[in-house]
Amino acid sequence: KAGVTQTPRYLIKTRGQQVTLSCSPISGHRSVSWYQQTPGQGLQFLFEYFSETQRNKGNFPGRFSGRQFSNSRSEMNVSTLELGDSALYLCASSLARERDEQYFGPGTRLTVT
Amino acid sequence: KQEVTQIPAALSVPEGENLVLNCSFTDSAIYNLQWFRQDPGKGLTSLLLIQSSQREQTSGRLNASLDKSSGRSTLYIAASQPGDSATYLCAPETGGSYIPTFGRGTSLIVHP
Repeated sequence: KAGVTQTPRYLIKTRGQQVTLSCSPISGHRSVSWYQQTPGQGLQFLFEYFSETQRNKGNFPGRFSGRQFSNSRSEMNVSTLELGDSALYLCASSLARERDEQYFGPGTRLTVT
Repeated sequence: KQEVTQIPAALSVPEGENLVLNCSFTDSAIYNLQWFRQDPGKGLTSLLLIQSSQREQTSGRLNASLDKSSGRSTLYIAASQPGDSATYLCAPETGGSYIPTFGRGTSLIVHP
């Protein structure tokens, strides 16, 4: 069974640009969560999608958005990039989310210059 | 707001030692708690998931315990190996929100 995949793995963008990251969950998993990991703040929850609906949202500005497609694949978008958005972005999938084990992808390393 | 503390922050031990990693959390109303390992620059690998109704879970050389009332979980690693070197993270999932809160992790180095 294939694991969670994320594309691209590495990305360099300029301040002010926007970026879209993609996550393909494990087959059969309907929940996808996104996290941001930085040395300063650690791992922080961004949002979670289940059956194409955003079910939870963390404490991030509106520049961070996401969506989920009918095949459970998910994308997250960051507009008007800031230097502080440089981070490892991780997505995780689970069967249904509540009480279920989360499986993480390898992450997308975003560098904003 | 859930706050998670992991002690120690870093640990360096010779191969073969038995290890105890600690995780404490402030809100005991959790659904479950998951332990992960993370290798440098990589994603997280799930190690163990303990439901709120359980007291412990075991997988190979790993054993995790949960004491909800005291807000504590412990990850026990038996007979440590160099391949165990990684950062270990705990993440309790608070009831009602289904949002896990991660600790800052314990960075483990096991010397051959």
